[in-house]
Parts: sequence; structure tokens; C-alpha cells
Amino acid sequence: KQEVTQIPAALSVPEGENLVLNCSFTDSAIYNLQWFRQDPGKGLTSLLLIQSSQREQTSGRLNASLDKSSGRSTLYIAASQPGDSATYLCAVRTSTSGTYKYIFGTGTRLKVLA
Amino acid sequence: SAVISQKPSRDICQRGTSLTIQCQVDSQVTMMFWYRQQPGQSLTLIATANQGSEATYESGFVIDKFPISRPNLTFSTLTVSNMSPEDSSIYLCSVVGSSYNEQFFGPGTRLTVL
Repeated sequence: KQEVTQIPAALSVPEGENLVLNCSFTDSAIYNLQWFRQDPGKGLTSLLLIQSSQREQTSGRLNASLDKSSGRSTLYIAASQPGDSATYLCAVRTSTSGTYKYIFGTGTRLKVLA
Repeated sequence: SAVISQKPSRDICQRGTSLTIQCQVDSQVTMMFWYRQQPGQSLTLIATANQGSEATYESGFVIDKFPISRPNLTFSTLTVSNMSPEDSSIYLCSVVGSSYNEQFFGPGTRLTVL
């Protein structure tokens, strides 16, 4: 059974710091991995999608990497800003008996201090 | 990307009643999902809404409690039946885009059961 874990559970950093969020999954047979941010009480906003054949994706100050063999992905945020404060979730897409489903991680709550 | 709307955005309901949540997408999509996010928790998949056939439910979720309709490729409803305070959660619908299999989320419905 696929399990997705995110470390750390919470993180507080001063503005301007570069930071790394971690996502681990137990079954390397994934189709893709997606990073989201969620603001309090809101839905999820897609940040980056990495296909299983890719090693990394970049969007602005965000860079996500994927190492399928070790079951890990990292989200790198450069020059963090107070507006980056949110919960960050990773999700892996798997297939069971031909049915696709997405398993979400436990999330990292990020607070960037001005 | 897909634009997804949900109604209602929030509701406060009495124990024992039912609430139907609507999800509308601005384009035809094959895959549509319903998730639950309990307070302080990550997302848990309730079911996959299948167009023209019965939904596929995850372990721990049953059709009698969470009936789902999907009459066409742009619309779905989730009903939370015979509600109890334990059903207080954010309910989110999501779709998978045809390009790159990226998942997009609606804004969520915040349900409080008294």
C-alpha cells in the first residue's frame, strides 16, 4: 500500500531564506508526482507536476526534483517571502487494478516571517 | 488548466440531515474525484466519479453515506447523508486535465455539522 510522508510537518523561517521541503513515498511505481499549496480554508493550487520519467521541474522560484528509485521528491523554494506561507502538499499518482488514484502526503505547514 | 467551481462554499447543518455539494468544470474531463479533508489533516480520497456509471468508492466510504452522481463530463454531485459532527470537513472535487495528467482542485466546501 502506497504511503506518502512529508518532513518536516511544520517549518518557520525568516524572509529571504532558501528552503527545502521533503516528500517520501513507499512504492516507486508511480506515474507522476504533483506539488500543491493550500492556503487556510481554501482549495489546492497546483505548483509543479513531475512525470515519472522526469528528474525535475522548475517554475519561478520553485524547483521540484524526483528520485523514483529512492522514493523521494524535494521542493526547493528560493528567496522565501511571507506570501509563501501556506501548507504544501505532495501527491503521487498510482494505479491499482487499472484504476488511477492519487495519494496525498501529510503536508508541511510553512511560515515565512517578515 | 481547468476552472472548477463548487456550491455551496460553506454550510452549517444539523445532525441527521443531508447536504448535496455540486462541482462544475469549465471543460469536459474524464476523471473526476471527491476528497475529504478533516480539520488539520491531509486529503483522503472518497471516490472516483464515473460518467454514466456508479462511482468507485475507497475503503471506508460507502454509497449509502456518500452517494455521487455524474450525469455528464462537466458536472458531479456529492451528497453527505445522515450527517453527524464527525462529517465536519472540507469537501473538495478535483479533475485530471487531458494534458500531462495534472490534477486541479475546486475551492472546496466547508461543512460544519452541529
